[in-house]
Amino acid sequence: DIQMTQSPSSLSASVGDRVTITCRASQSISSSLNWYQQKPGKPPNLLIYGASGLQSGVPSRFSGSGSGTDFTLTISSLQPEDFATYYCQQSYGTPSFGPGTKVDIK
Amino acid sequence: QLQLQESGPGLVKPSETLSLTCTVSGGSISSSSYYWGWIRQPPGKGLEWIASISYLGTPYYNPSVRSRVTISVDTSKDQFSLSLDSVTAADTAVYYCVTPHGQNYGDKFDNWGQGTLVTVSS
Repeated sequence: DIQMTQSPSSLSASVGDRVTITCRASQSISSSLNWYQQKPGKPPNLLIYGASGLQSGVPSRFSGSGSGTDFTLTISSLQPEDFATYYCQQSYGTPSFGPGTKVDIK
Repeated sequence: QLQLQESGPGLVKPSETLSLTCTVSGGSISSSSYYWGWIRQPPGKGLEWIASISYLGTPYYNPSVRSRVTISVDTSKDQFSLSLDSVTAADTAVYYCVTPHGQNYGDKFDNWGQGTLVTVSS
């Protein structure tokens, strides 16, 4: 099984901050990495696919990068609606998700 | 706009079978996506992919539940279903139906139902 880890597990940030979340796979997964945003009581929402592809309708302040085992989700300027939990997910093997990173208000 | 809606009992007794159905609207199951799937999330915890199926009926299972799970599709009703046997409290979760729209059955979950909470308790 491919294990996914994320860091940090939580972070506090202010509106306008640049935020970076890291995801690491236990083995190389090429670019088979997706990012999701989840708000309380709602299903996750796909943000980034294929490590760096921006899903239709997602604001351009979200970006993804990386390949192999190390990946990054960046929010260039945090907005009030971005406070949420973020999950990475690999689709190279049996699909699996990272444990999540909660972004809350400083 | 494709919409997914989960349905099924909210309470299941331990050792019994959990059965859920996802109804697809706004498009047909045979033309809107090649794959369809289920993901669950225990309260306050992370996400776990359970199973996917092609509209032709080929199933794919998470090894962690493979011995207990069955996924099926009914194209005539635009529905797909999940059955999980011998449930325990560890199966308590919000269950989401999803559409994998990427390279394979486990990629790019870009459409989600609202989710249904299933509690396993006597």
